[in-house]
Amino acid sequence: DIQMTQSPSSVSASVGDRVTITCRASQGISSWLAWYQQKPGKAPKLLIYAASSLPSGVPSRFSGSGSGTDFTLTISSLQPEDFATYYCQQANSFPLTFGGGTKVEIK
Amino acid sequence: EVQLVESGGGLVQPGGSLRLSCAASGFTFSSYWMSWVRQAPGKGLEWVANIKQDGSEKYYVDSVKGRFTISRDNAKNSLYLQMNSLRAEDTAVYHCTLYLNRGMDVWGQGTTVTVSS
Repeated sequence: DIQMTQSPSSVSASVGDRVTITCRASQGISSWLAWYQQKPGKAPKLLIYAASSLPSGVPSRFSGSGSGTDFTLTISSLQPEDFATYYCQQANSFPLTFGGGTKVEIK
Repeated sequence: EVQLVESGGGLVQPGGSLRLSCAASGFTFSSYWMSWVRQAPGKGLEWVANIKQDGSEKYYVDSVKGRFTISRDNAKNSLYLQMNSLRAEDTAVYHCTLYLNRGMDVWGQGTTVTVSS
C-alpha cells in the first residue's frame, strides 16, 4: 500500500499569510494526487485533483504542484474561511490512501 | 444540483450487520465510479471501497475485505454498503462520494455507524 505523509500536522497562520502544506508518497504516484478541505462537522470538499487542477468554484488562491512522490498545496493569501483541516489522497492505485491531515489554525 | 444522501446508519452490536444506502440525484449516476469513505470520531479520512459504473470492478481497504460489500442499482440511482461482522473499529461517519478524475468530487453529508454493546 502507498503511505501518504503530510507535514506539518498543524500550522498557525494569520489572514493574508501564504500557507504551504506538503504531502509525500511512499512510492511514485505520477500526478495522481488530490487535496481536500474539511471544516468541523462538515463533509470534505475537493480542492485539487490530478495534483494541480482546480474543480469549478474553487478559489484561485488555492494551488497544487508536484509529481512523483512530493506534492504541495499552497494557499496564496489565507482567508478567514480557509481555517480548516486539509488532507491529501493518492489516486494512483488501490487501496486509495489519505494523508493524516493538516490543521490550519488562526494565529 | 448534484446531491448524495446517505441513510441506514445507527447503533449495532459487535458482530452485527448494517446496510448503508446512498441516494444520488442531479447527475447521470450510471456514468461514474462511486466510493465510500469513512471517518472515525476525531480521526482522519479512510477510503473504504470503490465500484465501477456497471459494478464489474470493486475494490476494498484490507480491513473490510470479506466483511463489507459495495453494490449499486443504476436503475434506482443508488449506492449501497452491506456491512457484516461489524467491529468497534468500524465506528465512524460513512460518506458516499462521486469519484471523478481520480478525486472524490462530490460528498454526501454522511451517516453515523456506532458499533457498541
